[in-house]
Amino acid sequence: AQSVTQLDSQVPVFEEAPVELRCNYSSSVSVYLFWYVQYPNQGLQLLLKYLSGSTLVKGINGFEAEFNKSQTSFHLRKPSVHISDTAEYFCAVSVKTGANNLFFGTGTRLTVIP
Amino acid sequence: DVKVTQSSRYLVKRTGEKVFLECVQDMDHENMFWYRQDPGLGLRLIYFSYDVKMKEKGDIPEGYSVSREKKERFSLILESASTNQTSMYLCASRKTGHPLAFFGQGTRLTVV
Repeated sequence: AQSVTQLDSQVPVFEEAPVELRCNYSSSVSVYLFWYVQYPNQGLQLLLKYLSGSTLVKGINGFEAEFNKSQTSFHLRKPSVHISDTAEYFCAVSVKTGANNLFFGTGTRLTVIP
Repeated sequence: DVKVTQSSRYLVKRTGEKVFLECVQDMDHENMFWYRQDPGLGLRLIYFSYDVKMKEKGDIPEGYSVSREKKERFSLILESASTNQTSMYLCASRKTGHPLAFFGQGTRLTVV
């Protein structure tokens, strides 16, 4: 079975500071990895994905993430956050075969402080 | 662009009512999913469907059923709504063999 752990439920950070949102996963088979963002009262929007190839992936809004297979991690980073980045961020995994269901972490609420 | 549309953004129902949440996608995706989202719990899979009239239980199917009579439509049914089903419900769809899932805007259901 697959599982996703987001250790930080809330991350406050000052505007223009860097941020890292942590994600660790558990799976006995190869996986795809995703970060989704949810702005208030909206659905989920794909931020970035790792399917294969380069372990450093770039997404929208200046975010990037690095897949580390040995540490089973997929941490999300941004060098300088903006007020508009305030949202909830979800890490998710799906296996590469079978039903491809998405398994989500519990989410990290990022609050950018002016 | 793929569009996944949920029929209601906000819904208020009374305890014991039968509730239907509708989801429609316009990209001929085989797979459709219903999640519920609760603070501190993330998204949990209720049911999914990989073809018309096919359904599989997810992690928390109790108190819910689903219907998929047409490929583009996936309905979530609360047979007798209870207050502990107050939540945000998210529908998603995905094409078989493709890793990306697309989400609707969500339905915030309140059961009073």
